[in-house]
Amino acid sequence: GAVVSQHPSWVICKSGTSVKIECRSLDFQATTMFWYRQFPKQSLMLMATSNEGSKATYEQGVEKDKFLINHASLTLSTLTVTSAHPEDSSFYICSAREWGTRNYGYTFGSGTRLTVV
Amino acid sequence: EDKVVQSPLSLVVHEGDTVTLNCSYEVTNFRSLLWYKQEKKAPTFLFMLTSSGIEKKSGRLSSILDKKELFSILNITATQTGDSAIYLCAGSGGSNYKLTFGKGTLLTVNP
Repeated sequence: GAVVSQHPSWVICKSGTSVKIECRSLDFQATTMFWYRQFPKQSLMLMATSNEGSKATYEQGVEKDKFLINHASLTLSTLTVTSAHPEDSSFYICSAREWGTRNYGYTFGSGTRLTVV
Repeated sequence: EDKVVQSPLSLVVHEGDTVTLNCSYEVTNFRSLLWYKQEKKAPTFLFMLTSSGIEKKSGRLSSILDKKELFSILNITATQTGDSAIYLCAGSGGSNYKLTFGKGTLLTVNP
């Protein structure tokens, strides 16, 4: 089945530094990639949607200069948390969608637990 | 703004019980309704529903969609402790097929 590899699984960084999270679709072309964040005991909140080769569409309230999304190829999308602060600590998950063929349509990465100290 | 509401938010049952989880949605250009199970990490896919009235089954789990009432349910029969998890409902819509998630139902199955 479709697989999305997300890494790192967890990362601890110092306040003020930047962190990059990668998601790769291993056996299909991810036409669209979605990035979510999830706080403890809460649901997944969509941050942005990116289509390969074009700028990401950010949800209301998500700072696009802080959460940089790049979807330069059909198999790779990255989320960079710039100048991270403790309030950015969260669980970040990507989800890829391949246009058309797959019955269930969305494949999730395994998530990245970010802790900013 | 798209909205997905799940109920109950949490549920505690005993092994062997049957549970019904509810999901109502308001999604622009609705495409499909999806159910996921989330334990420690990323959600795992359970069902995708696009047509009204057609039940989907997988073992002890089943789900159905009512597109007129904008509602879906997830049933779990003969619950087991391994069913303990957060169950997420999501509506897919729009040109990008983006998913809007509900807050989830935390199911706890006690032995």
